[in-house]
Amino acid sequence: EAQVTQNPRYLITVTGKKLTVTCSQNMNHEYMSWYRQDPGLGLRQIYYSMNVEVTDKGDVPEGYKVSRKEKRNFPLILESPSPNQTSLYFCASSHVAGGHTGELFFGEGSRLTVL
Amino acid sequence: GDSVTQMEGPVTLSEEAFLTINCTYTATGYPSLFWYVQYPGEGLQLLLKATKADDKGSNKGFEATYRKETTSFHLEKGSVQVSDSAVYFCALRSNYKLTFGKGTLLTVNP
Repeated sequence: EAQVTQNPRYLITVTGKKLTVTCSQNMNHEYMSWYRQDPGLGLRQIYYSMNVEVTDKGDVPEGYKVSRKEKRNFPLILESPSPNQTSLYFCASSHVAGGHTGELFFGEGSRLTVL
Repeated sequence: GDSVTQMEGPVTLSEEAFLTINCTYTATGYPSLFWYVQYPGEGLQLLLKATKADDKGSNKGFEATYRKETTSFHLEKGSVQVSDSAVYFCALRSNYKLTFGKGTLLTVNP
């Protein structure tokens, strides 16, 4: 089954404790992206990757890091989480060949709470 | 930069009512336009899309037409069901970047 898998789905942590949210897709997609969803703000892009070893900032990259060492994986790293990073996070992927017409496939989301 | 503006909710309708959710956009070039739906506790799913002016996207009774002259992509459904209750996001994609509206919560009552 084609899917984007995120882990963990739920996490409560404390300020400053490094954490990683994993994302994996099994569709051989070149493009992967992270979004955060906050009430009243919709979805905002954090980082995206066009292919292995190619990443770039989205609209709200501060406080986050990413890496793309393998095509299927795109982990989101919070080196020193703060309460303003409490949010619902989504990973998404698509083919690049579709260009700007390509549909994005989303994971089920990871709800992060930073105390 | 690119932006998407959609009508603010929440929207509450009775079953079988007509639905319109307005969406307008600002973009350089010729973006593709999408409607995504998010059911409670789930991720986003593509509902429909249109890739060029005058295209009509349709799925599950929902429709939206890409209107370049009014930069709009309004979502419509003739007769909503309780199962359509969800958050609906209008989005545009240009140069691989997907820009979302803030979402509209739809509640359909029996």
